[in-house]
Amino acid sequence: AQRVTQPEKLLSVFKGAPVELKCNYSYSGSPELFWYVQYSRQRLQLLLRHISRESIKGFTADLNKGETSFHLKKPFAQEEDSAMYYCASLYGGSQGNLIFGKGTKLSVKP
Amino acid sequence: NAGVTQTPKFRILKIGQSMTLQCTQDMNHNYMYWYRQDPGMGLKLIYYSVGAGITDKGEVPNGYNVSRSTTEDFPLRLELAAPSQTSVYFCASSFGHPNTEAFFGQGTRLTVV
Repeated sequence: AQRVTQPEKLLSVFKGAPVELKCNYSYSGSPELFWYVQYSRQRLQLLLRHISRESIKGFTADLNKGETSFHLKKPFAQEEDSAMYYCASLYGGSQGNLIFGKGTKLSVKP
Repeated sequence: NAGVTQTPKFRILKIGQSMTLQCTQDMNHNYMYWYRQDPGMGLKLIYYSVGAGITDKGEVPNGYNVSRSTTEDFPLRLELAAPSQTSVYFCASSFGHPNTEAFFGQGTRLTVV
């Protein structure tokens, strides 16, 4: 069964420090991968997806098929980045089966 | 544009009661999802639908039922509420491939006592 693993429940860094939120997936095919973010008192929303190869709010994520990883990175964290981050996967064989990891709470301290 | 709307926002149920969580979207999305989020945990997929008249089980379907009679609506039914169903429920929708971004509702906080 497909699975998305986020090993860290909580990640705390200081403002200006680099951030890496880890995500690993278990599937031998070609999943579509996403990072979603939930800021305090806001809806869960898409941050970025791997097929777009985009940088949003300074965040990037690279798909590493060899390591089955899709880690989210930002070189210089800002306080407004504090939020819950969820990695999610969608498999081509079943476009409706959108699976989320358990989430990582990022806390950026001043 | 309302997006994804869930009702109610909060509800307290007694054990054994039943209720329907409503979800509607006005984006003409084909795909709709129901998730539950327990404290300190991630989102678990309950059911999903790839179009009107089609539904499929997710990771944790037991104790729930869904229907998709229209593109807009995807209600989630709890027949015999149990304390284990205390959770926050999220509905989401997406257009589908290639635009697979999911849009979420505000959530329904359900407590079963």
